[in-house]
Amino acid sequence: GAGVSQSPSNKVTEKGKDVELRCDPISGHTALYWYRQSLGQGLEFLIYFQGNSAPDKSGLPSDRFSAERTGGSVSTLTIQRTQQEDSAVYLCASHRGVGTDTQYFGPGTRLTVL
Amino acid sequence: RKEVEQDPGPFNVPEGATVAFNCTYSNSASQSFFWYRQDCRKEPKLLMSVYSSGNEDGRFTAQLNRASQYISLLIRDSKLSDSATYLCVVTPKMIKAAGNKLTFGGGTRVLVKP
Repeated sequence: GAGVSQSPSNKVTEKGKDVELRCDPISGHTALYWYRQSLGQGLEFLIYFQGNSAPDKSGLPSDRFSAERTGGSVSTLTIQRTQQEDSAVYLCASHRGVGTDTQYFGPGTRLTVL
Repeated sequence: RKEVEQDPGPFNVPEGATVAFNCTYSNSASQSFFWYRQDCRKEPKLLMSVYSSGNEDGRFTAQLNRASQYISLLIRDSKLSDSATYLCVVTPKMIKAAGNKLTFGGGTRVLVKP
């Protein structure tokens, strides 16, 4: 079946511009995560959505970062006034939320801020 | 101190040899543990869960040491295809609980050479 999809796969932007990254989780998965991975580094947790609960935003690095999840499905991560240090691969993952121990990751969006 | 720490490596392993590495975690309330595998420029994928009694999956063996707060992964009879980054993952709740927030280590890079 279809896995987690993300778009765009690559995004090049200029410093100061806003960007939107999209994640389509696996159908029926109630939990959705956003992570960031810089070159050669580990995964950095950004934000977590679970069903209708308030999202866990504890990993967002600054107020320039925000995320929404509409209708409990598609999620958008928005970065305002991008900085060069925002350059990274942004990974989205989802899982069923109950009775499963596997997160399924999307292929990621590679963001480059010039 | 990071919540989950790993030796970044790389571990250079001759084909057919055995390699083992650990991951330490700081939160003694951690309950669930996993190893994920990430190939170069790819998304992470679940390799195996780590159970209290230890578990084996083919050439891979995972162990948990709660007293010293670390988990380990051992790979026997290494194959060239085992070359990857191995990510240690820890959660504070039991596997079956809803919406676990995973904390990733920085990863250990393994290079298997002919």
